[in-house]
This record gives sequence, structure tokens and C-alpha cells, in this order.
Amino acid sequence: ELKVEQNPLFLSMQEGKNYTIYCNYSTTSDRLYWYRQDPGKSLESLFVLLSNGAVKQEGRLMASLDTKARLSTLHITAAVHDLSATYFCAVVLDYGGATNKLIFGTGTLLAVQP
Amino acid sequence: GAGVSQSPSNKVTEKGKDVELRCDPISGHTALYWYRQSLGQGLEFLIYFQGNSAPDKSGLPSDRFSAERTGGSVSTLTIQRTQQEDSAVYLCASAWTALPVYGYTFGSGTRLTVV
Repeated sequence: ELKVEQNPLFLSMQEGKNYTIYCNYSTTSDRLYWYRQDPGKSLESLFVLLSNGAVKQEGRLMASLDTKARLSTLHITAAVHDLSATYFCAVVLDYGGATNKLIFGTGTLLAVQP
Repeated sequence: GAGVSQSPSNKVTEKGKDVELRCDPISGHTALYWYRQSLGQGLEFLIYFQGNSAPDKSGLPSDRFSAERTGGSVSTLTIQRTQQEDSAVYLCASAWTALPVYGYTFGSGTRLTVV
């Protein structure tokens, strides 16, 4: 069974600081997605990582994928309050197989303090 | 429409009643997912439709839950004899293909409260 684990589950950080969220998954997959969810809202797509070594950056967020280590990271640079949200990674199970079930990680609640 | 549309946005129902939740995916999207998100929790996979293939129902929590997708477009999630533990936000997502390079688009969800 595919497991997708994120850590930390909760992250309180000060504005201006850097930090990294980790996403580990338990089976082979070379397709990983990052989403943001604001309280009471739906999910917003942040990044789509399609191959080993992929790196995507948007503003203060940078995501990378290491398929050999089954690890993706979401790096936050010089955090600002607007980045406060819950961040989810998601991995496709049975890539190319009979099903392409998209499984979400546990989520990381990020709170950026002034 | 431009996005994934879900209705109703909120639903309060009495325990034991049946409910139907609707999802209108983006036109042309062949892949459609249903997820459940309980308060403060992550997303629990329920069911996945891809084109004309048989759906992956492996995430449905009990036989009280069922879903269908008519004409490869609109999907309905039905919960029979609702229980309080069914209270959650039900999210629908769609994509162009089974493995989209542009990701999946989520609807705003239906908040279901069973009283």
C-alpha cells in the first residue's frame, strides 16, 4: 500500500526565515504534485514534478524530486505571512498501471509569525 | 465552465437519510476523483474514474457509499443511511488525463454535516 508521509506536520516559523518541508513516499513513482490549502478553501496546485531531479520554483517556494530516494522537498525562502497555509504533496500510485490513484500526504500546517 | 463545480456547497442532513453530492468536471477532462477531508485532516481517497474504464472504488469506506459518472462527465457521490462520522468536506478533482502534466483541478467541495 502506498504511504505518503510529510514532516513536519506543523511548522511555526518567523518571517524572513528559511525552512524545508519533506515528503516521503513508499513506492516507485516519478510524478509528484504539491498543493496549497487555505483554511476553509479548496486545493490550489503549486507544482508538478515529472521526473527525477526535477526542480520547480515560484516566488519564495521551490520544490524538488528525488525518485531514487522517494523524496520530495518544498523549500521556503524568506517566509512571509501570506505563505501561511496547509501544504500537501501527492503521489500517483501504480504509475502507468491499471489505476492511477492519487494519494495525498498528511499535510504540513505552516504558520508564519511576524 | 472554467473550473470544477460541486453542489451543493453545504448540506445538513439527518442521520439515516440519503444524500447525493454532485461534481461537474472541467469539460473534456477524462479523469475524475472524489476525496473526503475530515476537520483538520488530510485527503482520503474515495474513488477514481478514468474515461470508460471501470472505476477504482478501493477507497470507498463502506457499502453505503457509491458513485457513478454519467457520459464521462458529471459524477454523483451517494451516501446512504448517513452517519455522523460521514460529516466531512467532500472534494472532487478532474484532469485531462490519468497522469496530467498540469496537475489536477479541485472543486470547492461540499461540506456535509450529519446531525
